[in-house]
Order: sequence, then structure tokens, then C-alpha cells
Amino acid sequence: EIVMTQSPATLSVSPGERATLSCRASQNIINNLAWYQQRPGQALTLLIYDASTRATGVPARFRGSGSGTEFTLTISSLQSEDFAVYYCHQYNTWPPKYTFGRGTKLEIK
Amino acid sequence: QVQLVESGGGVVQPGRSLTLSCAASGFTFRSYGMHWVRQAPGKGLEWLTITSYDGSNKYFADSVRGRFTISRDNSKNTLYLQMDSLRPEDTAVYYCAKDRAHWGSGYFDLWGRGTLVTVSS
Repeated sequence: EIVMTQSPATLSVSPGERATLSCRASQNIINNLAWYQQRPGQALTLLIYDASTRATGVPARFRGSGSGTEFTLTISSLQSEDFAVYYCHQYNTWPPKYTFGRGTKLEIK
Repeated sequence: QVQLVESGGGVVQPGRSLTLSCAASGFTFRSYGMHWVRQAPGKGLEWLTITSYDGSNKYFADSVRGRFTISRDNSKNTLYLQMDSLRPEDTAVYYCAKDRAHWGSGYFDLWGRGTLVTVSS
């Protein structure tokens, strides 16, 4: 099983500043990685797929990068609605044995 | 409105069965693969199963293979998860999620809000 490790578990950032979230895979997943956002009480929403492609309607302040085993989600100029939990998800395996990170909670500093 | 709405969760005794439903709206349900994912209390997300757009292909995680069954009724725009031989460790919020493609693109472009299943005597 590919283990996805997200860091930090909690990140405190002030509105208007930049947040950098990390996700590490236990083996090479090429660029088969997605990022999701979950606001309290809301459904998860797709932000990024294929490591760096923004999903439809996702603001340009969200940027995904990385390949292989190291990935980053950068959110520039944080807005109030960005404070949420973020999950990374690898889909490099077939038959599917998809795995997720434990999440990073982005909170207001 | 494009959405997925899960239902059918509740409290069930160990060893019993439960069936979850996921009602889809706002998109052409019969064209897309569908998944179930769960999140146990204090744990991360765990992918469980996928069905292809027509229900002809399915895969399961090792943790639920042989106990859980995924199915769909495209005439009713509904996805199902039948869970048998439930264990306390199956306690979780269960989410349905839409695949980007008809079969196993890998990522999910629409999620429901989930339904809580508690397995306890």
C-alpha cells in the first residue's frame, strides 16, 4: 500500500498570507495526485488533479506542484473561505488501491 | 443542482447488514464511474470500492472485499453499498463520490456529504 503523509497536521496562517501544504508518497506515484478541500459540514471538493491541474472553477490562488514522491499545495493570499481541511489522494495504482493523506487543517492565525 | 446525497446510515449491531444509498442529480449519472469512501472517527479517508458507469466492472479494497457489494440503478440515478457482516471497525462516515470518467480515472470530481454508520451492540 502506498502511504501518503501530509504535513503539517495543522497550519496556522493569517488571512492574506500564503500557505504551503505538503504531501509525501511512500513510493513514486508520478503525477497521479489530487488535492481536495473540506469545509466544516460540507462535502469534499476537488481542487487539483494530476498534481498541478486546477479543477473547473478553482481560483488561481490554488497551485499544485511536485512529482514522484513530493507534492505541494500552495494557497496564495488566503481568503476566509480557504480555512478548511485539505487532503491529498494518490491514484497511481491499478487495480485501484487508492490512498489518502490524513489531512492538513488550515486554521486562522 | 449537481449533487450527491447519501442516506441509510444509522446504528447497527455487529454481524448485521445495512444498505446505503447515494442519490445523484444534476449530471448524467449513467455515464460515470462511482466510488464509496469512508472515514472512521479520528482516522483518514479510506477508499472502498468502485463501479463502472454501467455496473459491469467493480473493484474492492481488501478490507471490505467479500462483505460489501456495490451496485447502481441508472434508471433511478442511484448508487448503493450493501454492507454485510458488519464489524465495529466499520464505524465511519460513508461518502459516495463521482469519478471524472466512465471507469477509474483515479480522482473524484464530486462528493456527497456522507452518512454515518455506527456498528455497536
